[in-house]
Amino acid sequence: EIQLVESGGGLVQPGGSLRLSCAASGFTFSTDWMSWVRQAPGKGLEWVANIKEDGSEKYYVDSVKGRFTMSRDNTKNSLSLQMNSLRVEDTAVYYCARYRSLGSWGQGTLVTVSS
Amino acid sequence: DVVMAQSPLSLPVTLGQPASISCRSSQSLVYSDGNTYLNWFQQRPGQSPRRLIYWVSNRDSGVPDRFSGSGSGTDFTLKISRVEAEDVGVYYCMQGAHWPHTFGQGTKLEIK
Repeated sequence: EIQLVESGGGLVQPGGSLRLSCAASGFTFSTDWMSWVRQAPGKGLEWVANIKEDGSEKYYVDSVKGRFTMSRDNTKNSLSLQMNSLRVEDTAVYYCARYRSLGSWGQGTLVTVSS
Repeated sequence: DVVMAQSPLSLPVTLGQPASISCRSSQSLVYSDGNTYLNWFQQRPGQSPRRLIYWVSNRDSGVPDRFSGSGSGTDFTLKISRVEAEDVGVYYCMQGAHWPHTFGQGTKLEIK
């Protein structure tokens, strides 16, 4: 069974940092692109970032470029999203997903940026 | 960025009746490899999104065959042949042909 389990969310002040993690199991993690998608409270879905199988290519939505960094550890089947200089508008549930086409999703982790 | 425009945004449907959602992109979603990267997702209340259809018309494993996807270029449609109570939720299209990948606004399906 494919499982994606996010962790690391929480309450952080504007300007602060947070690191999200995603533990993957049930598939060959090292051969798949991975993605992060977020959903602000009561809003629609927003694609955030992609990373290639070997980590050699990464793509980000403009609003997080220079602040967020996506990485992966294929030896541990894990995905990370380092989020710096957080803004109120980054408040959302963050999901990790398999493939660029988002074939499987985790349950999400809530990030709240507020003073 | 590629804009994905869904319609309608609200879709009241009688149980057992068909439903259709349109998704139009501001650019062609045909990638250089010849594939068209248009996907459909369902998000039931309180749940994570779930992919229903990938590459326009390929149904994911476990998705009932009453769901179907069609279209080409910039115009795409998700159809439900007979709506059931479990289909209530928000439906999103998403393009993966251009970075940044972008979603439609979402279509809320409810039972009339």
